[in-house]
Amino acid sequence: DSGVTQTPKHLITATGQRVTLRCSPRSGDLSVYWYQQSLDQGLQFLIQYYNGEERAKGNILERFSAQQFPDLHSELNLSSLELGDSALYFCASSVGSGGQGIAYEQYFGPGTRLTVT
Amino acid sequence: TQLLEQSPQFLSIQEGENLTVYCNSSSVFSSLQWYRQEPGEGPVLLVTVVTGGEVKKLKRLTFQFGDARKDSSLHITAAQPGDTGLYLCAGALKAAGNKLTFGGGTRVLVKP
Repeated sequence: DSGVTQTPKHLITATGQRVTLRCSPRSGDLSVYWYQQSLDQGLQFLIQYYNGEERAKGNILERFSAQQFPDLHSELNLSSLELGDSALYFCASSVGSGGQGIAYEQYFGPGTRLTVT
Repeated sequence: TQLLEQSPQFLSIQEGENLTVYCNSSSVFSSLQWYRQEPGEGPVLLVTVVTGGEVKKLKRLTFQFGDARKDSSLHITAAQPGDTGLYLCAGALKAAGNKLTFGGGTRVLVKP
């Protein structure tokens, strides 16, 4: 158990809908990262928040957005869903933000499996 | 083309055999991490290597970071069925902060 929790575990929804994925980081961690893992794309970095502020952005679509709340939990919002959005979505957390190339170890949650039909 | 190339993509061996997984890049990484992921679960951090030429051992697993910090390898001695999983390397680029770039993964199957 990494200490990172994600809900829900599974989500099935239709195209065009909007969903919210939730993540609680390990106690004491200030950074939260979101990743998408699909069969043909591997593990792709989406976005990072550190202590409530966006810190880094990866290949995140405009239909996707995220935020980190004062209690440090984070939510990933996916809207206008398409079939291709079906994937595993992982949240990870680390104690620091990683400035200057310092690689804080990231701990991953169990993931949310999203199926868009 | 991925920033981090892992090879082989798939490896099937018998219990007791040794195996090596490679992670290569043309970029210099400030650090590199190895993860193992089992189906339906999140990646689990195995090790972080930071210094060029560094070697770390974790029981039957040996991790090496290349001298130039562009490549890494994971060697498993006397593999067991419990070693089955997807092995991922992930590198941190100094210019990109702590944003990890993942390799495509090596799927390892250890047959009893």
